[in-house]
Amino acid sequence: DAKTTQPTSMDCAEGRAANLPCNHSTISGNEYVYWYRQIHSQGPQYIIHGLKNNETNEMASLIITEDRKSSTLILPHATLRDTAVYYCIVRVAYGGATNKLIFGTGTLLAVQP
Amino acid sequence: SAVISQKPSRDICQRGTSLTIQCQVDSQVTMMFWYRQQPGQSLTLIATANQGSEATYESGFVIDKFPISRPNLTFSTLTVSNMSPEDSSIYLCSVQGSYEQYFGPGTRLTVT
Repeated sequence: DAKTTQPTSMDCAEGRAANLPCNHSTISGNEYVYWYRQIHSQGPQYIIHGLKNNETNEMASLIITEDRKSSTLILPHATLRDTAVYYCIVRVAYGGATNKLIFGTGTLLAVQP
Repeated sequence: SAVISQKPSRDICQRGTSLTIQCQVDSQVTMMFWYRQQPGQSLTLIATANQGSEATYESGFVIDKFPISRPNLTFSTLTVSNMSPEDSSIYLCSVQGSYEQYFGPGTRLTVT
């Protein structure tokens, strides 16, 4: 079973920041938080991952709380092309069978013009 | 990064028949994964396929129904056997990168 809880859907105005929350209260010390997104009819796309520190790349920022029980994915300037289902996943970064991703239901982000 | 292609991109099949889906990667990878995405649902892992060993199936999936081949480090096939309408789904292959997984575009299967 997925170890994360996300809101079913969210709206965001184009050009504004989109903040997508995720709860993972049972995360283990060696588990990372990963974010993927799936644009309609495409395969999932990796966005970002982190362990305990906040992370930023060209796509997004990831804010992880100090107790690591929740995190927020931030898309700083959402565009219409960011409309997708966003999945928050916890897993060990590498190593045998634990490489597998367990997808939850995700959050449908609808960016409005 | 890895570029993944799948064939066919979509197909319509009759119940009782089988379909083999191909997954080709542009680089050598050790771990490959097959997922199913039923209409309106999230992704469910079917099995993990490592080159040179038998595939490892997740609970609810069996080899007789979803046989997998992994003949080399760039290629894998998934067969959906004795299909029923409940098998209508998108089937995706995925490969393990250095810290992330890359996904193919998926094969959209409709069983009538």
